[in-house]
Amino acid sequence: GAVVSQHPSRVICKSGTSVKIECRSLDFQATTMFWYRQFPKQSLMLMATSNEGSKATYEQGVEKDKFLINHASLTLSTLTVTSAHPEDSSFYICSARDEGAGGYTFGSGTRLTVV
Amino acid sequence: AQSVTQLDSHVSVSEGTPVLLRCNYSSSYSPSLFWYVQHPNKGLQLLLKYTSAATLVKGINGFEAEFKKSETSFHLTKPSAHMSDAAEYFCVVSDLGNRDDKIIFGKGTRLHILP
Repeated sequence: GAVVSQHPSRVICKSGTSVKIECRSLDFQATTMFWYRQFPKQSLMLMATSNEGSKATYEQGVEKDKFLINHASLTLSTLTVTSAHPEDSSFYICSARDEGAGGYTFGSGTRLTVV
Repeated sequence: AQSVTQLDSHVSVSEGTPVLLRCNYSSSYSPSLFWYVQHPNKGLQLLLKYTSAATLVKGINGFEAEFKKSETSFHLTKPSAHMSDAAEYFCVVSDLGNRDDKIIFGKGTRLHILP
């Protein structure tokens, strides 16, 4: 079945640095990928919709200059958290739509801790 | 280790009839459980969540789910289906903040509404 590989699974970075999270569709092409974040006991919050070859669509309240999304190919989308701060510490997860099968597959998530 | 099993990949019901989407889970801890809906080319939308309060959880659009620990189930129901309910539904178990610190998605159930 469709597999989405998300890396890294955990990352700790210093405040002020940038962190890149990758989301790859391994055996299918994904023109659309979604990026979410989640805090404990809360629901997933959609951050942005990533479209291959075009600019991402950000949800209200999400800073596009802080959370840079690049979807340069049909199998890879990246989320870069720039100038990270402790409040950016969260669980980030991506999902991709399998255009062929028509379903959605989720990555395993990235735990970001900013110290 | 956590897991989520959505027992049906596709469910078809007639408009106006009850909906039952099944979900079984396993978790080493007291999990948070969620149901999300995803319409084509849209991000996930939270239907309802269980976080160790009342076992019968009411959500949006007339959906509800009952947490049954003895059966390790969290099935989603709605008394009367509407055409607009046609979408993909995901059952999710979240152990964020616990030792495993993961979000586990079911594979999804595609709900078809017959006129």
